Amino acid sequence: KQEVTQIPAALSVPEGENLVLNCSFTDSAIYNLQWFRQDPGKGLTSLLLIQSSQREQTSGRLNASLDKSSGRSTLYIAASQPGDSATYLCAVAGGTSYGKLTFGQGTILTVHP
Amino acid sequence: DAGVIQSPRHEVTEMGQEVTLRCKPISGHNSLFWYRQTMMRGLELLIYFNNNVPIDDSGMPEDRFSAKMPNASFSTLKIQPSEPRDSAVYLCASSRQGATTGELFFGEGSRLTVL
Repeated sequence: KQEVTQIPAALSVPEGENLVLNCSFTDSAIYNLQWFRQDPGKGLTSLLLIQSSQREQTSGRLNASLDKSSGRSTLYIAASQPGDSATYLCAVAGGTSYGKLTFGQGTILTVHP
Repeated sequence: DAGVIQSPRHEVTEMGQEVTLRCKPISGHNSLFWYRQTMMRGLELLIYFNNNVPIDDSGMPEDRFSAKMPNASFSTLKIQPSEPRDSAVYLCASSRQGATTGELFFGEGSRLTVL
């Protein structure tokens, strides 16, 4: 059974800092890995999706990497801003259906001015 | 595009009552997913549909839960009878099956409180 772990559980940083969120998964047989953002009381917003054949994806200040063999992914946020404050969730799609995501518990990020 | 639309956004009901949650996927998406989110258990997949057909309902907690997708633009999740332990946020998501990306798009969720 796939298990996804995110470290740290919570992170508080000053504005402008570069930061890294970590995600690890136990079964390397995945279709893809997706990073989401969730604001309080809201749904999930897809940030980046990395296919199993890819090593990284970039969108603006965000960069996600994937090392399938070691079961790890990182989300790098450059020049953090207070608006980046949210919960960040990592999810992997594996087995026979790419849509059946297994989620980590998330990292609560607070960026203070 | 309007995104995934869920209703109601908030529902407060009493134990034993029937609850119906609704979801409209993104037009053109042919896969639909129902997730439940709680503080204790995080996000759990309840059921998903491909082309309106339920593919995997192994996450449905018990017979009190049922889900339908009568057409490509509408799905319901029903709980009957509801219990306090069903209190959670229920999230609906859709994706375009057949493509290799498999990116999921979520609605805002329905927050259910069972008293």
